[in-house]
Amino acid sequence: NAGVTQTPKFQVLKTGQSMTLQCAQDMNHNSMYWYRQDPGMGLRLIYYSASEGTTDKGEVPNGYNVSRLNKREFSLRLESAAPSQTSVYFCASRPPGGGANEQFFGPGTRLTVL
Amino acid sequence: GNSVTQMEGPVTLSEEAFLTINCTYTATGYPSLFWYVQYPGEGLQLLLKATKADDKGSNKGFEATYRKETTSFHLEKGSVQVSDSAVYFCALSDRGSARQLTFGSGTQLTVLP
Repeated sequence: NAGVTQTPKFQVLKTGQSMTLQCAQDMNHNSMYWYRQDPGMGLRLIYYSASEGTTDKGEVPNGYNVSRLNKREFSLRLESAAPSQTSVYFCASRPPGGGANEQFFGPGTRLTVL
Repeated sequence: GNSVTQMEGPVTLSEEAFLTINCTYTATGYPSLFWYVQYPGEGLQLLLKATKADDKGSNKGFEATYRKETTSFHLEKGSVQVSDSAVYFCALSDRGSARQLTFGSGTQLTVLP
């Protein structure tokens, strides 16, 4: 049981390049989330998927797109990377049920955009 | 909207000192409250949680009590260890369909031997 996995762990892009961050969970969770973490700002929600086949914008969606490929996988795409997207990106998943169920986080992807 | 305000860091303590990290929140309804911990180079791990007023969450010697009257969820530990050095995040989960988490800005704790 690997939990939440993310690839790659590190990535350096040039401005204007595109890339996809991959996330997968093997816990049969319905909900999945993408966050970015910036110094002094905590984690901010980019997009989430409450269930397979649905996606919704979070607090900071501009410049990103997502795909919920199946129940296990939720990818985040940067179509044209900008230096402001330099951040650490975390994927999380959550089992169904009440508000007490916590989210489980992956190890993160550290992205630098030059 | 929802928001979480955390005590600013960094916080530096000597081993065996008492720890308090303040957290207050603004939310509609009755959110669930969480403390997450992030060790260097790792993702976030749940430390403890509480789902209703006056609930006390506890784990690894850490405690926090859900205080609805003061909208607070302060984290405490009686005697910190060097291994507690990490970043601590307070968070709330609303009761909407997506159960989104709203995080505080995090508090860096360093414990010196």
